[in-house]
Amino acid sequence: GAVVSQHPSWVICKSGTSVKIECRSLDFQATTMFWYRQFPKQSLMLMATSNEGSKATYEQGVEKDKFLINHASLTLSTLTVTSAHPEDSSFYICSAKTITTGTSYNEQFFGPGTRLTVL
Amino acid sequence: DAKTTQPPSMDCAEGRAANLPCNHSTISGNEYVYWYRQIHSQGPQYIIHGLKNNETNEMASLIITEDRKSSTLILPHATLRDTAVYYCIVSVSGNTGKLIFGQGTTLQVKP
Repeated sequence: GAVVSQHPSWVICKSGTSVKIECRSLDFQATTMFWYRQFPKQSLMLMATSNEGSKATYEQGVEKDKFLINHASLTLSTLTVTSAHPEDSSFYICSAKTITTGTSYNEQFFGPGTRLTVL
Repeated sequence: DAKTTQPPSMDCAEGRAANLPCNHSTISGNEYVYWYRQIHSQGPQYIIHGLKNNETNEMASLIITEDRKSSTLILPHATLRDTAVYYCIVSVSGNTGKLIFGQGTTLQVKP
């Protein structure tokens, strides 16, 4: 099956610093990638949809200036948490969709997640 | 908001079939039913999807009612490694479709 990787798998940073998380589709090209956030004992919350070569579309309530998303190629999307604060500590997960033409479903492949802890 | 309703938790004996229900009474004609699962501290894993017909793959079976308002995911012989949170999601087809996760069902497989 298609493989999605994330780097780093975990990161600890000081309050006020910025952190970049990478999401890569390893064996397929992804025109669309998604970023999710998950707090302990809660479900995944969709943050934004990232399309290659265009600006990301953010879900309601997600600050686009705080969570910068770049999708520069068909295999790489990055999420930068700017000026991180302890409340940004969470599990960040990306997913990627294969390039599909004429298909009738919406299969996404998820990365293993990145655990961010802001001190 | 998620368009599905699932029981918060279920238990299943190892080796027995696990039947996980999902209600999606407001599903639209162009929306598929997807099932994913998430093992603790990992990314979600795709299990199966369907539109109208029942589906089966190496992991599970998906039974969709004729009116499409509910479905059941069946793990035929549950193992301890199947302990996870199972999410039922409805989504439109095509490249614009998004997966909106609800609270899911925590399945505990017991020896």
